[in-house]
Amino acid sequence: AQSVTQLDSHVSVSEGTPVLLRCNYSSSYSPSLFWYVQHPNKGLQLLLKYTSAATLVKGINGFEAEFKKSETSFHLTKPSAHMSDAAEYFCVVSVSEGNKLVFGAGTILRVKS
Amino acid sequence: GAVVSQHPSRVICKSGTSVKIECRSLDFQATTMFWYRQFPKQSLMLMATSNEGSKATYEQGVEKDKFLINHASLTLSTLTVTSAHPEDSSFYICSAPRGVWQYFGPGTRLTVL
Repeated sequence: AQSVTQLDSHVSVSEGTPVLLRCNYSSSYSPSLFWYVQHPNKGLQLLLKYTSAATLVKGINGFEAEFKKSETSFHLTKPSAHMSDAAEYFCVVSVSEGNKLVFGAGTILRVKS
Repeated sequence: GAVVSQHPSRVICKSGTSVKIECRSLDFQATTMFWYRQFPKQSLMLMATSNEGSKATYEQGVEKDKFLINHASLTLSTLTVTSAHPEDSSFYICSAPRGVWQYFGPGTRLTVL
């Protein structure tokens, strides 16, 4: 069965410093992996998606993630945090039977000024 | 881009009443839609898959008689929480796939008094 583990429930960074949100996955086949962001009282927004093409995936707002099969990881990074990045981030894996998604527990990112 | 709407965005009801939540794909057709539930400070949990023209598929542990799903057309799925109780208070989110992408609705916050 597919599953996702987000290793940190909370991450706090200073504005202008790098962001690293960690995600490990478990899948019995080559997975599709996603990162979604949820701002308070807002809907989910897709940041980026990996679907077995390039292992380094670039997303919106300067975020990117690298798929590492040997480590079963899909960590999300951004070189320089902005105050507007403060939100909850979900790592997500697709399940084999048509479009079903399994969400990680989420990581709340706090950006300090 | 593709848009998914939900109505209502927020609903408060008395214990024992039923509440209907609508999920619409505004500019594309979706033969399948998904319903998720998100409890406070928790991740999204898939409840069921809504299938146009056939019965919904429920995830393990989700009561199909309590959470009635109707996929009436290619652009509309409804979730009815029957005989709602305070423990049903949650954030309900739907999604619809278009191609390889999933599009999420903004969510409906249900509060049962």
